[in-house]
Amino acid sequence: LAKTTQPISMDSYEGQEVNITCSHNNIATNDYITWYQQFPSQGPRFIIQGYKTKVTNEVASLFIPADRKSSTLSLPRVSLSDTAVYYCLVGDGTGGFKTIFGAGTRLFVKA
Amino acid sequence: EAQVTQNPRYLITVTGKKLTVTCSQNMNHEYMSWYRQDPGLGLRQIYYSMNVEVTDKGDVPEGYKVSRKEKRNFPLILESPSPNQTSLYFCASSLSTPGGGKNIQYFGAGTRLSVL
Repeated sequence: LAKTTQPISMDSYEGQEVNITCSHNNIATNDYITWYQQFPSQGPRFIIQGYKTKVTNEVASLFIPADRKSSTLSLPRVSLSDTAVYYCLVGDGTGGFKTIFGAGTRLFVKA
Repeated sequence: EAQVTQNPRYLITVTGKKLTVTCSQNMNHEYMSWYRQDPGLGLRQIYYSMNVEVTDKGDVPEGYKVSRKEKRNFPLILESPSPNQTSLYFCASSLSTPGGGKNIQYFGAGTRLSVL
């Protein structure tokens, strides 16, 4: 099954750009890469999704190299409220119905 | 407002006493899923449903049951809860099957269950 690997935790300061990289070596040809954000005791919420190259929305950018074996979530100018756990998610490798979350990256933003 | 609603939000029970956690979505989504979240283990999928009357096991189905008699509802049933099922549970739905991760999942607020 496709599996993702992310750093366990990261620290940053307000106003900095934060880049979180996710490794997904076994990503299937048709799989998309989706990132979710989760605050303590809340359900995850969608941030951004991409298939290849670069995707940007109002909160983040997602960079995906040509081989698609990794992806990088970029959060510009983080604030204290961006302190959360960030999950990288791909399909289960078969184009099927399961969903596999990794352990996520705990981002702590300091003043 | 589009949402996934779980009830109850908090539940304390004793070993062996059957319980049901309800989940309802108002987005006409086909796919629904249950996850549990434990410290250091991230989110693990318990069961999922591709549509009415179609369900299948996720990665940690032992000790749980589900049913999908209506499109909007996907209850999680613990027939005989045990302390190792103490966890934070999330229900989620998406328009269609994850399909390689393309379909975005929308999560409920969570149910914190303690089994004594």
